Order: sequence, then C-alpha cells, then structure tokens
Amino acid sequence: DAGVIQSPRHEVTEMGQEVTLRCKPISGHDYLFWYRQTMMRGLELLIYFNNNVPIDDSGMPEDRFSAKMPNASFSTLKIQPSEPRDSAVYFCASSPGGQETQYFGPGTRLLVL
Amino acid sequence: AQSVTQPDIHITVSEGASLELRCNYSYGATPYLFWYVQSPGQGLQLLLKYFSGDTLVQGIKGFEAEFKRSQSSFNLRKPSVHWSDAAEYFCAVGRLLEYGNKLVFGAGTILRVKS
Repeated sequence: DAGVIQSPRHEVTEMGQEVTLRCKPISGHDYLFWYRQTMMRGLELLIYFNNNVPIDDSGMPEDRFSAKMPNASFSTLKIQPSEPRDSAVYFCASSPGGQETQYFGPGTRLLVL
Repeated sequence: AQSVTQPDIHITVSEGASLELRCNYSYGATPYLFWYVQSPGQGLQLLLKYFSGDTLVQGIKGFEAEFKRSQSSFNLRKPSVHWSDAAEYFCAVGRLLEYGNKLVFGAGTILRVKS
C-alpha cells in the first residue's frame, strides 16, 4: 500500500488567499484524522471522520477552517481566508478502526506570508 | 481530559549507549498508549502501542516501552542507540470514544546521537 498520501507537500501563499490541503487515506481505512503541528502548540487534532462523516470538529480553530470527505478515498482541509498564524505542518492520518493505530501521511508544510 | 507530559525537550546520548525517554499521562480510565517517531521533514511512524495485557511492549527498531499504572508512565527504552535513531519522539494517549480513538500527543523529545 502507498500509505496516506497528502498534497501538496509544501504550500506558500499570501495572507487572505484560500488554501486547500488534500488527503488520500489508506484503502479500507474508515477513519480519517486531520492534525496541525506547530512549535507553540505541538500536535493538535483538528477534526476526524468515520465513514466520511465528521465525528468531532472541536479542534477546528475558527470558522475559516473547514474539512470535507466526499468519499472514502479523499478528504480536503480548506482555510479561507488564510492568515500568517495558520503557518504549520498539517498531517492527515487514517486508521482501519476506532481502536486501531493511526497511520500518518508525510504532511503539508504551509507558510502563509 | 487526558494529557501527556514528556519532561525532556532534548536528550543527547552517545551511539551505543542506552536510552530512556520519559512519558507521563493523565487519564481517568485505562489508557491506550503510543510512541511515534518523526524524522525531519517526515510524517509520524508508529514505534509501539499498548492497549492491554503484558505491560512490557516490544516495538520496531529495537524499542520497547513499559506501562506502569501506579506511576502513570509509559517510558520508551532502547538498549543500544544507533545514529539513525536521531529524531523526535512523541508519546500519545488515546481516549476510546463511541466512534474513534482520539489521540492527545505530548510535546515531543528530540533525540540527538553523538558519535
């Protein structure tokens, strides 16, 4: 299996622009997680899905952030409008069950100027 | 709410020396515990996990961890460190929900290996 795939790997944008991060989970995994990693706050869970349905979005920082999972093989995390404080590494992870190990993608390094 | 403390931000060990990374957690029920490793510019890779049973858990790359309920600890150990072990290590506690397993991560410990 190719593992969790994220794109782009790096994104540089200007403040106010819309940013869309993409994730393809491991085939057969029915849980998908979005995390954000910063120096100040470490690794934080933003939102997770089960069978394409958002279960817990309590970690989403603001209304500027939104996430969707239109099908079992694709999810997006969108920031609109982006701000410099959104600069971070965003990880997607998937797991085959609620109690199972989460497998992480390589991350998207976002820089908002 | 669950929390994880990794008291050491940085640790430097000599190649071939033993290693112990500390992890303390706070959680009201039986925890699910994990250790992940992150190499520079990479995602997180699972080293080992504890769900139940034997409190000494073996993982990949020669790592092991011991769950001690009385101390609320899940320390990671390796008897002989290799230069390739230099990375950042994260301890995490999972809270089993009706749907899913929500992980809370520690701040991480950066391991440096000197030759």
